[in-house]
Amino acid sequence: KQEVTQIPAALSVPEGENLVLNCSFTDSAIYNLQWFRQDPGKGLTSLLLIQSSQREQTSGRLNASLDKSSGRSTLYIAASQPGDSATYLCAVSPFGENTGFQKLVFGTGTRLLVSP
Amino acid sequence: ETGVTQSPTHLIKTRGQQVTLRCSSQSGHNTVSWYQQALGQGPQFIFQYYREEENGRGNFPPRFSGLQFPNYSSELNVNALELDDSALYLCASSFEGGGNTIYFGEGSWLTVV
Repeated sequence: KQEVTQIPAALSVPEGENLVLNCSFTDSAIYNLQWFRQDPGKGLTSLLLIQSSQREQTSGRLNASLDKSSGRSTLYIAASQPGDSATYLCAVSPFGENTGFQKLVFGTGTRLLVSP
Repeated sequence: ETGVTQSPTHLIKTRGQQVTLRCSSQSGHNTVSWYQQALGQGPQFIFQYYREEENGRGNFPPRFSGLQFPNYSSELNVNALELDDSALYLCASSFEGGGNTIYFGEGSWLTVV
């Protein structure tokens, strides 16, 4: 059974810092890995999607890496801003499931607070 | 703006009652899935519909059921509500050829008392 763990559970940093969020998963047989952002009481916004054959993806100040063999992904946020404050969720799409890529297994998230 | 709209945004039900949550996706989004997110937890996969048929289910009992309609709308029905069903229910959709991008709605907050 695929399990996803995110560390740390919460993180508080001053504005401007570069930071790294970690995600680990137990089964390397995945279609892809995605990072989402969730603001309090809101839905999910997709940030980055890394296919199983890829090593990393970048979007603006965000960079996500994937090491399937070790079951790890990191989300790097450069020059953090107060607007980055949110919960960041990592999710994998298990390979071999007949439900297709919409069956995602999520971690419990990292709650980020960036102070001005 | 993801183009996925859910209703209602908040509702309160009594234990034992039934609830229907609705989701409207963009035209062409022929795959829809539903997730349950308890407070402080990550979303849990309930089930997925593709072209109006259920084609995958998570570890949820049969009292959780769904429907998908030709107009790209869908429903999540929960019978015999229990206190533990209190959660944020998220609808997600995607379209073939969309590069595996999944679009989530803002969710429906259900409180069971």
